[in-house]
Amino acid sequence: EPEVTQTPSHQVTQMGQEVILRCVPISNHLYFYWYRQILGQKVEFLVSFYNNEISEKSEIFDDQFSVERPDGSNFTLKIRSTKLEDSAMYFCASSQQGNMNTEAFFGQGTRLTVV
Amino acid sequence: DAKTTQPNSMESNEEEPVHLPCNHSTISGTDYIHWYRQLPSQGPEYVIHGLTSNVNNRMASLAIAEDRKSSTLILHRATLRDAAVYYCILRDPISGGYQKVTFGTGTKLQVIP
Repeated sequence: EPEVTQTPSHQVTQMGQEVILRCVPISNHLYFYWYRQILGQKVEFLVSFYNNEISEKSEIFDDQFSVERPDGSNFTLKIRSTKLEDSAMYFCASSQQGNMNTEAFFGQGTRLTVV
Repeated sequence: DAKTTQPNSMESNEEEPVHLPCNHSTISGTDYIHWYRQLPSQGPEYVIHGLTSNVNNRMASLAIAEDRKSSTLILHRATLRDAAVYYCILRDPISGGYQKVTFGTGTKLQVIP
């Protein structure tokens, strides 16, 4: 069964460093997303991406965050200068369509620890 | 996304059916009812969704009340692997946007061997 894959599974970085989280969405999907979940809290939407541009973003997704689809398969989330509060699980997701009648498929996540 | 209300936790015996309730009294006519679950230390997983009619798939059944103000996710035979947090989510085009899924706190299901 097709799945969304994320690498690395765990990333430790020093405060102020840049990190790039990588995702390979399901191959025939057109919409891509990043979510995060701080330990013990809800899963929060960060951004959605379609046709090589951001289509929706939340208040969390500020200038420190960026997303890119550098080639036909990868989808990345970059945090320019990490803060302690960026420590969380980051989930990538993808869907075939971008409407309410479509399910999203999530990856297993990257645990980001900022020290 | 419009608001839903779910019990914080539920228990079920293994191999018994489980009925997970969700109230959404402010649902509008265009809102889809989605269910996701999150197993421990894993990403969310799509379970099922519907608009007005009951829905079945290989994982579960979704029973939607006639007035659509509530719905029930039915796991026909709970296994230990079904222990997870189950999220009932309404997806609407006004507050939720067309694409994002807004997660609440969900129902934590414990399956007892």
